[in-house]
Amino acid sequence: QVQLQESGPGLVKPSGTLSLTCAVSGGSDSSNNWGTWVRQPPGKGLEWIGEIYPSGTTNYNPLFKSRVTISIDKSKNQFSLKLRSMTAADTAVYYCAMPRSGSRFDPWGRGTLVTVSS
Amino acid sequence: QSVLTQPPSASGTPGQRVTISCSGSSSNIGIYTVTWYQQLPGTAPKLLIYDNNQRPSGVPDRFSGSKSGTSASLAISGLQSDDEADYYCAAWDDRLNGPLFGGGTKLAVL
Repeated sequence: QVQLQESGPGLVKPSGTLSLTCAVSGGSDSSNNWGTWVRQPPGKGLEWIGEIYPSGTTNYNPLFKSRVTISIDKSKNQFSLKLRSMTAADTAVYYCAMPRSGSRFDPWGRGTLVTVSS
Repeated sequence: QSVLTQPPSASGTPGQRVTISCSGSSSNIGIYTVTWYQQLPGTAPKLLIYDNNQRPSGVPDRFSGSKSGTSASLAISGLQSDDEADYYCAAWDDRLNGPLFGGGTKLAVL
């Protein structure tokens, strides 16, 4: 079955850029859909950041649109998140997940905690 | 940003049936299907219900979902201690042009 794994730095300085990668492995349908990013601030709920489709088309949450870029590298079976101008409010666990349809995401990566601090 | 409205907490005793509500609007639940996720402590969300009432393989039939108008519900019957988790509803939203999540409901098994 499809598995996802996030990787990237756990600490980002204020005003810096977060760069995360999600490696996709396994499953015969791993190329049918691509990826979405969701985050969860400590003790809070889930917040959708954006997604990228097999065509490379992206769709971003307006809250992040001015500072987010999601890209894919099909040769490496991975997709990436860049979030610029980070502040303490961006401290969260960042998850990648496989979009199926609408609000259905399955599976999810285990998540990676990103702390914004100097 | 608007979220789908869920009660912050719910509770029940082992064996009991509990329901968790999720209220939305005509731009999300009213026109799109609802998804439910279960998040056990310290873990990633897991798909629990999709398309309002469909269970992925491996999800016990103790979990069921329903939708009516702009609201949805998750029901858990035969409550078990392992069901202690946070539960999130989600639906696509036309205004966001993306998926909208509920604020989450923390379920306690007393």
